[in-house]
Amino acid sequence: QQQVKQSPQSLIVQKGGISIINCAYENTAFDYFPWYQQFPGKGPALLIAIRPDVSEKKEGRFTISFNKSAKQFSLHIMDSQPGDSATYFCAASSSSMKTSYDKVIFGPGTSLSVIP
Amino acid sequence: DVKVTQSSRYLVKRTGEKVFLECVQDMDHENMFWYRQDPGLGLRLIYFSYDVKMKEKGDIPEGYSVSREKKERFSLILESASTNQTSMYLCASSWTGPYGYTFGSGTRLTVV
Repeated sequence: QQQVKQSPQSLIVQKGGISIINCAYENTAFDYFPWYQQFPGKGPALLIAIRPDVSEKKEGRFTISFNKSAKQFSLHIMDSQPGDSATYFCAASSSSMKTSYDKVIFGPGTSLSVIP
Repeated sequence: DVKVTQSSRYLVKRTGEKVFLECVQDMDHENMFWYRQDPGLGLRLIYFSYDVKMKEKGDIPEGYSVSREKKERFSLILESASTNQTSMYLCASSWTGPYGYTFGSGTRLTVV
């Protein structure tokens, strides 16, 4: 019940296209859903995050769509650029846990390649 | 910007050696974490610490131990390195709660 599923494992998109990565969770106690972006040779970095009280959050070309009833959320990258080529991790956690050190559960990652 | 520094980018060790991976953060974060990253398996939590001298096991603690003697420093110890511990090791820190983990650049450990 603590798992976060992510698909696809890898994705190739033409420059200017839309990249879509999907995630699903089971634990209804999760209430914070971040996405992390990792470039080769670097650690993951927080990209964008959403709470389940909204269905969509947009920051520049990056949008998270959230479907609470289906327990699914997705990352859309509009006008994808070669510089977006990276590994993307979705994640989930619960801030309602009694401990202050709430753990983040990561999906397995999606390797995105944007080709010119 | 918060910085999480891992002491080594690449490390090659022999089977049976005791290995220390060091991590230092400079923003007074309460929480620190050690993950290993393997292709197709994502990020798996080894150990985490929510305060000095406090530690808790993550999902895959076997073969590892940790030490947090000072708030800014969190060390991962491989008591007797084995080839199946060849991996990328990532340290992270955060303020309270699950918000905004800051990761180091990782240590790629090869055990031969």
